[in-house]
Amino acid sequence: QQQVKQSPQSLIVQKGGIPIINCAYENTAFDYFPWYQQFPGKGPALLIAIRPDVSEKKEGRFTISFNKSAKQFSLHIMDSQPGDSATYFCAARGFNAGNNRKLIWGLGTSLAVNP
Amino acid sequence: NAGVTQTPKFQVLKTGQSMTLQCAQDMNHNSMYWYRQDPGMGLRLIYYSASEGTTDKGEVPNGYNVSRLNKREFSLRLESAAPSQTSVYFCASSPEFGGYTFGSGTRLTVV
Repeated sequence: QQQVKQSPQSLIVQKGGIPIINCAYENTAFDYFPWYQQFPGKGPALLIAIRPDVSEKKEGRFTISFNKSAKQFSLHIMDSQPGDSATYFCAARGFNAGNNRKLIWGLGTSLAVNP
Repeated sequence: NAGVTQTPKFQVLKTGQSMTLQCAQDMNHNSMYWYRQDPGMGLRLIYYSASEGTTDKGEVPNGYNVSRLNKREFSLRLESAAPSQTSVYFCASSPEFGGYTFGSGTRLTVV
């Protein structure tokens, strides 16, 4: 059962465009929502993360928007560049007691930014 | 450089052979994870270790075993490799309340 649904599966934009990747979750116990970026041949790397007490977080050209009532969060890439071409994963984690705080992952979005 | 180190980077096995994938982290993280990544299927958790001395099954544990040797090291063993285990394997570690740090992966082909 997939608890984090990510869309679209793939996305193509022109340089300077603003790609938006969306994720929806089901478990209201989630309290940490990171995005990871993966380049071909590399492991995923943490890009930006948000907690549900804020509605937006910006780091450089990357912005997370968070809608707690809709249980949705999205990644926006401002002024996208060809170097942003990568696979992006959203994830979520709960605050359950004990050590079971594994990340639950979306299936990923392959982004291509054309020059 | 601090981080997660995986060995080997590439491996070709024959069906039925065994091998161990090694992972070590130097960030003093308590938790460590093994994932496999296949096209269109995202990251699937094989096993994880929430702390030294504990291991638990993830989504796809069949055909694998793990050992948390100490706080730094977490190995993944394939006892009898099958073509269905052809994949890219990633090890990751995390502190209790932070993001994951991934290794660069092991590309395994079983023929």
